[in-house]
Amino acid sequence: AQSVTQLDSHVSVSEGTPVLLRCNYSSSYSPSLFWYVQHPNKGLQLLLKYTSAATLVKGINGFEAEFKKSETSFHLTKPSAHMSDAAEYFCVVSGAQAGTALIFGKGTTLSVSS
Amino acid sequence: DTAVSQTPKYLVTQMGNDKSIKCEQNLGHDTMYWYKQDSKKFLKIMFSYNNKELIINETVPNRFSPKSPDKAHLNLHINSLELGDSAVYFCASSLTWVRSEQYFGPGTRLTVT
Repeated sequence: AQSVTQLDSHVSVSEGTPVLLRCNYSSSYSPSLFWYVQHPNKGLQLLLKYTSAATLVKGINGFEAEFKKSETSFHLTKPSAHMSDAAEYFCVVSGAQAGTALIFGKGTTLSVSS
Repeated sequence: DTAVSQTPKYLVTQMGNDKSIKCEQNLGHDTMYWYKQDSKKFLKIMFSYNNKELIINETVPNRFSPKSPDKAHLNLHINSLELGDSAVYFCASSLTWVRSEQYFGPGTRLTVT
Protein backbone atom coordinates (compact mmCIF):
# COMPACT_ATOMS: atom_id res chain seq x y z
CA ALA A 1 0.00 0.00 0.00
CA GLN A 2 1.06 3.55 -0.68
CA SER A 3 1.41 6.27 1.93
CA VAL A 4 3.11 9.60 2.28
CA THR A 5 4.30 11.48 5.35
CA GLN A 6 5.05 15.16 5.41
CA LEU A 7 7.44 15.62 8.27
CA ASP A 8 6.60 19.23 9.11
CA SER A 9 3.11 20.63 9.48
CA HIS A 10 4.40 24.20 9.44
CA VAL A 11 7.60 25.77 8.08
CA SER A 12 8.50 29.43 8.52
CA VAL A 13 11.23 31.16 6.51
CA SER A 14 12.32 34.69 5.75
CA GLU A 15 12.06 36.11 2.28
CA GLY A 16 15.21 35.34 0.32
CA THR A 17 16.21 32.30 2.38
CA PRO A 18 16.05 28.67 1.21
CA VAL A 19 12.94 26.54 1.53
CA LEU A 20 12.94 22.85 2.46
CA LEU A 21 9.69 20.91 2.77
CA ARG A 22 10.22 17.27 3.72
CA CYS A 23 8.31 14.27 2.44
CA ASN A 24 8.81 10.53 2.95
CA TYR A 25 6.83 7.95 1.04
CA SER A 26 6.04 4.28 1.26
CA SER A 27 5.13 2.28 -1.80
CA SER A 28 5.11 -1.37 -2.70
CA TYR A 29 5.45 -0.39 -6.35
CA SER A 30 7.64 2.04 -8.22
CA PRO A 31 5.82 5.24 -7.33
CA SER A 32 4.90 8.39 -9.16
CA LEU A 33 5.36 11.36 -6.83
CA PHE A 34 4.01 14.87 -7.03
CA TRP A 35 4.08 18.14 -5.17
CA TYR A 36 1.00 20.36 -5.29
CA VAL A 37 0.54 23.87 -3.91
CA GLN A 38 -2.70 25.39 -2.63
CA HIS A 39 -2.90 29.13 -2.10
CA PRO A 40 -5.61 30.36 0.30
CA ASN A 41 -9.13 29.73 -1.01
CA LYS A 42 -7.77 28.38 -4.28
CA GLY A 43 -7.59 25.01 -5.98
CA LEU A 44 -4.50 22.84 -6.14
CA GLN A 45 -1.77 23.54 -8.65
CA LEU A 46 0.81 20.98 -9.77
CA LEU A 47 4.35 22.12 -8.90
CA LEU A 48 6.28 19.15 -10.22
CA LYS A 49 6.17 15.40 -10.76
CA TYR A 50 8.51 12.41 -10.65
CA THR A 51 7.73 9.43 -12.86
CA SER A 52 10.94 7.35 -12.86
CA ALA A 53 12.94 9.52 -15.21
CA ALA A 54 15.55 11.96 -13.77
CA THR A 55 15.76 11.84 -9.97
CA LEU A 56 16.12 15.63 -9.74
CA VAL A 57 12.88 17.17 -10.90
CA LYS A 58 12.45 20.83 -11.70
CA GLY A 59 9.07 22.46 -11.34
CA ILE A 60 7.42 25.81 -11.69
CA ASN A 61 8.34 28.97 -9.78
CA GLY A 62 11.89 27.81 -9.04
CA PHE A 63 10.94 24.74 -7.02
CA GLU A 64 12.66 21.40 -7.39
CA ALA A 65 12.58 18.03 -5.69
CA GLU A 66 14.95 15.09 -5.51
CA PHE A 67 13.77 11.49 -5.50
CA LYS A 68 15.95 9.38 -3.19
CA LYS A 69 14.93 5.74 -3.31
CA SER A 70 17.37 4.67 -0.58
CA GLU A 71 15.85 7.20 1.81
CA THR A 72 12.29 6.92 0.43
CA SER A 73 12.22 10.69 0.34
CA PHE A 74 11.01 13.36 -2.08
CA HIS A 75 11.87 16.67 -0.45
CA LEU A 76 10.86 19.98 -2.05
CA THR A 77 13.36 22.82 -2.16
CA LYS A 78 13.69 26.36 -3.43
CA PRO A 79 16.88 28.43 -3.17
CA SER A 80 15.22 31.71 -2.28
CA ALA A 81 11.72 32.15 -0.84
CA HIS A 82 9.36 34.81 -2.09
CA MET A 83 6.38 36.23 -0.24
CA SER A 84 4.09 34.74 -2.89
CA ASP A 85 5.31 31.23 -1.95
CA ALA A 86 3.29 31.34 1.27
CA ALA A 87 0.74 28.55 0.83
CA GLU A 88 -0.12 24.95 1.71
CA TYR A 89 2.05 22.29 0.06
CA PHE A 90 1.02 18.69 -0.48
CA CYS A 91 3.26 15.74 -1.23
CA VAL A 92 1.37 13.10 -3.19
CA VAL A 93 2.06 9.50 -4.18
CA SER A 94 0.40 7.39 -6.82
CA GLY A 95 0.79 3.65 -7.11
CA ALA A 96 1.82 1.95 -10.30
CA GLN A 97 -1.46 0.10 -10.67
CA ALA A 98 -4.04 1.48 -13.01
CA GLY A 99 -6.87 3.24 -11.29
CA THR A 100 -4.98 3.82 -8.07
CA ALA A 101 -6.03 7.06 -6.46
CA LEU A 102 -3.56 9.76 -5.50
CA ILE A 103 -2.66 9.59 -1.83
CA PHE A 104 -2.15 13.02 -0.29
CA GLY A 105 0.06 13.93 2.63
CA LYS A 106 -1.45 16.05 5.37
CA GLY A 107 0.15 19.19 4.03
CA THR A 108 2.82 21.65 5.12
CA THR A 109 1.96 25.29 5.65
CA LEU A 110 4.75 27.53 4.42
CA SER A 111 4.92 31.01 5.95
CA VAL A 112 7.25 33.63 4.49
CA SER A 113 8.13 36.75 6.46
CA SER A 114 9.69 39.91 5.12
CA ASP B 1 -10.10 29.37 -20.63
CA THR B 2 -10.64 27.54 -17.36
CA ALA B 3 -9.38 23.95 -17.63
CA VAL B 4 -11.45 22.44 -14.80
CA SER B 5 -14.45 24.40 -13.64
CA GLN B 6 -16.92 23.79 -10.84
CA THR B 7 -20.26 25.33 -9.99
CA PRO B 8 -21.23 26.67 -7.61
CA LYS B 9 -18.17 28.06 -5.85
CA TYR B 10 -20.07 28.45 -2.57
CA LEU B 11 -23.08 26.48 -1.39
CA VAL B 12 -24.88 27.15 1.88
CA THR B 13 -27.82 24.93 2.71
CA GLN B 14 -29.75 23.40 5.58
CA MET B 15 -29.56 19.89 6.93
CA GLY B 16 -31.75 17.43 5.12
CA ASN B 17 -31.63 19.22 1.77
CA ASP B 18 -30.42 17.70 -1.50
CA LYS B 19 -27.81 19.55 -3.55
CA SER B 20 -25.64 19.05 -6.63
CA ILE B 21 -22.19 20.26 -7.63
CA LYS B 22 -21.20 20.33 -11.26
CA CYS B 23 -17.78 19.86 -12.81
CA GLU B 24 -16.57 20.29 -16.35
CA GLN B 25 -13.13 19.90 -17.92
CA ASN B 26 -12.08 21.12 -21.35
CA LEU B 27 -8.70 19.35 -21.39
CA GLY B 28 -9.87 16.31 -23.30
CA HIS B 29 -8.95 14.08 -20.36
CA ASP B 30 -10.33 10.59 -19.91
CA THR B 31 -10.48 10.47 -16.12
CA MET B 32 -12.26 12.67 -13.57
CA TYR B 33 -12.31 12.67 -9.78
CA TRP B 34 -14.09 14.06 -6.75
CA TYR B 35 -12.11 14.83 -3.58
CA LYS B 36 -13.23 16.09 -0.20
CA GLN B 37 -11.03 18.48 1.80
CA ASP B 38 -11.88 18.71 5.46
CA SER B 39 -11.36 21.60 7.86
CA LYS B 40 -7.81 20.41 8.55
CA LYS B 41 -7.09 20.58 4.80
CA PHE B 42 -6.79 16.80 4.47
CA LEU B 43 -7.70 15.67 0.95
CA LYS B 44 -9.36 12.34 0.35
CA ILE B 45 -10.52 10.74 -2.88
CA MET B 46 -14.22 10.01 -3.10
CA PHE B 47 -14.87 8.84 -6.64
CA SER B 48 -13.15 8.45 -9.97
CA TYR B 49 -14.58 7.93 -13.44
CA ASN B 50 -12.71 6.83 -16.53
CA ASN B 51 -14.53 7.37 -19.82
CA LYS B 52 -17.82 7.61 -17.91
CA GLU B 53 -17.17 4.37 -16.04
CA LEU B 54 -16.82 4.36 -12.24
CA ILE B 55 -13.38 3.03 -11.31
CA ILE B 56 -12.87 4.27 -7.76
CA ASN B 57 -15.60 4.34 -5.15
CA GLU B 58 -14.11 4.91 -1.73
CA THR B 59 -15.97 4.40 1.52
CA VAL B 60 -18.43 7.23 1.09
CA PRO B 61 -22.01 7.33 2.41
CA ASN B 62 -24.46 6.30 -0.29
CA ARG B 63 -26.08 9.73 0.09
CA PHE B 64 -23.31 10.81 -2.28
CA SER B 65 -23.90 9.83 -5.89
CA PRO B 66 -21.66 10.80 -8.78
CA LYS B 67 -22.92 11.02 -12.33
CA SER B 68 -20.86 11.30 -15.49
CA PRO B 69 -23.06 12.15 -18.48
CA ASP B 70 -20.02 12.33 -20.74
CA LYS B 71 -16.23 12.30 -20.52
CA ALA B 72 -16.03 16.04 -19.90
CA HIS B 73 -18.51 16.22 -17.02
CA LEU B 74 -18.69 14.71 -13.56
CA ASN B 75 -21.41 15.86 -11.21
CA LEU B 76 -21.85 15.11 -7.52
CA HIS B 77 -25.30 14.83 -6.00
CA ILE B 78 -25.72 14.76 -2.24
CA ASN B 79 -28.96 13.68 -0.58
CA SER B 80 -30.11 14.45 2.96
CA LEU B 81 -27.21 16.73 3.77
CA GLU B 82 -25.66 16.48 7.23
CA LEU B 83 -23.52 18.89 9.24
CA GLY B 84 -20.49 16.65 8.71
CA ASP B 85 -20.76 17.11 4.95
CA SER B 86 -19.49 20.67 5.34
CA ALA B 87 -16.17 20.77 3.49
CA VAL B 88 -14.54 21.91 0.30
CA TYR B 89 -15.16 19.57 -2.62
CA PHE B 90 -12.65 19.49 -5.46
CA CYS B 91 -13.11 18.09 -8.91
CA ALA B 92 -10.01 17.00 -10.83
CA SER B 93 -9.15 15.41 -14.14
CA SER B 94 -6.21 13.53 -15.62
CA LEU B 95 -5.22 12.43 -19.09
CA THR B 96 -5.39 8.75 -18.22
CA TRP B 97 -6.07 6.68 -15.14
CA VAL B 98 -2.51 5.38 -14.87
CA ARG B 99 -0.01 7.49 -12.95
CA SER B 100 -1.10 10.76 -14.51
CA GLU B 101 -0.91 14.09 -12.80
CA GLN B 102 -4.27 15.56 -11.95
CA TYR B 103 -5.58 19.05 -12.63
CA PHE B 104 -7.90 20.51 -10.04
CA GLY B 105 -10.87 22.81 -10.18
CA PRO B 106 -11.21 25.81 -7.85
CA GLY B 107 -13.32 23.93 -5.32
CA THR B 108 -16.86 24.23 -3.97
CA ARG B 109 -17.19 25.26 -0.34
CA LEU B 110 -20.25 23.51 1.06
CA THR B 111 -21.64 24.73 4.37
CA VAL B 112 -24.49 22.81 5.97
CA THR B 113 -26.35 24.61 8.75
